[in-house]
Parts: sequence; C-alpha cells; structure tokens
Amino acid sequence: DAKTTQPNSMESNEEEPVHLPCNHSTISGTDYIHWYRQLPSQGPEYVIHGLTSNVNNRMASLAIAEDRKSSTLILHRATLRDAAVYYCILRAPNPGTASKLTFGTGTRLQVTL
Amino acid sequence: NAGVTQTPKFRVLKTGQSMTLLCAQDMNHEYMYWYRQDPGMGLRLIHYSVGEGTTAKGEVPDGYNVSRLKKQNFLLGLESAAPSQTSVYFCASRKRANYGYTFGSGTRLTVV
Repeated sequence: DAKTTQPNSMESNEEEPVHLPCNHSTISGTDYIHWYRQLPSQGPEYVIHGLTSNVNNRMASLAIAEDRKSSTLILHRATLRDAAVYYCILRAPNPGTASKLTFGTGTRLQVTL
Repeated sequence: NAGVTQTPKFRVLKTGQSMTLLCAQDMNHEYMYWYRQDPGMGLRLIHYSVGEGTTAKGEVPDGYNVSRLKKQNFLLGLESAAPSQTSVYFCASRKRANYGYTFGSGTRLTVV
C-alpha cells in the first residue's frame, strides 16, 4: 500500500477554516484518497474521498493536487465537535481483496474557543 | 437505520477464556471487516469478508477466527484469550467498491 504522511497534530480556533494536509508521493494512478475521522471513544467516521477532482460534501471539501502527490482536507468552519483524529488513507480499487483500509496514526485536531 | 452494531460494548476475560464478538449491519453491505486499535496506534485489520460465506485474513489474524454465515453478521472469535489481545475492536462494513466504510462504535476488551 502507498504511504501517506500527515502532521501529528494541528490546532484551530472555532469557526475558522482548517486545512489538514496529507502527502502521498508514491500514490498510484488508480488509488483513491479517503479521509476518515475518529472522535474520542468512537469508531472512525467516513468524511470524504476522491480520485482526481476536488470534491465537496456537507462535511468537508477535498482538494487534490494536480500531480496527486498531496491532498488537503478542508473544514470550512471548525467547531468543537470537529476535534478528532483525521486519517488520510489511500485505497486501491480491488474488489477481490475488499480494498481494505490501512490506517496510519493520523492528525489530531484540537479546536479551541 | 441502526447501521453497524457491535455486541458487547465492554468485556473482561481471563487468560485462556473464549468469547465471540458480534457485528451486525442492516444496510445490506457486501463487505465486512474486523479491526483492532491499540493505544497510540491506527487501526489494524484482523479479518475481512467479501460476501456471505467468505472470509480472509488481514494483517494481524493470529489468535482470531471469523465466520460470515449470514450476510448481515460477521463474528469474531477468540478461542483462548491472551493479554496481548486487550484492545478496542471495531467492525466495519461497506456496500461495494468505491463506497465509504461504516464503522461500529467498538468493543473494549480487556484480558487479565
């Protein structure tokens, strides 16, 4: 599996935008970029995923570099409820092996008033 | 719509005891997974299933067995629990390729 690199931790003020970076310089052409987050004492929660184009949903936006070697998860207005560990994961589309997710240690986001 | 439900939420076992963790999903998802999470670490895949009646090993399968007799249920068994299996266990399911994963809320297992 291709490797991702994320900062260990980041801080943000409430109601400000947050940009969470992820480097994946060895990404292959068919790898999807997935983002999950894990709130304290909960299971991971799907946030967003994309392949080449930028993606938006109700939770966040995903900006993917043109060369796909990096991506950024954007939370438009951070709230205290967004404090979590955010995982950037590459997933190859291979139904035969169930395209299992490989979690790293992620970025711990702290949100303060 | 309950999503993914894990039973039990907490359990304490003595070394050598056996137990089964149940994962149930009501979304008609094809793929199901069992992960474990240890302090300060990301999730590691134990076993997974691509459909009813199928199972496969993940990256840390030793000491665990699984079964998927019904599409909606994925069972994780510990035949002889060891302290190294103290962890938080998460079940996840996915409809099919290119869909996001839905995780359960976890089972916290302590083996003493």
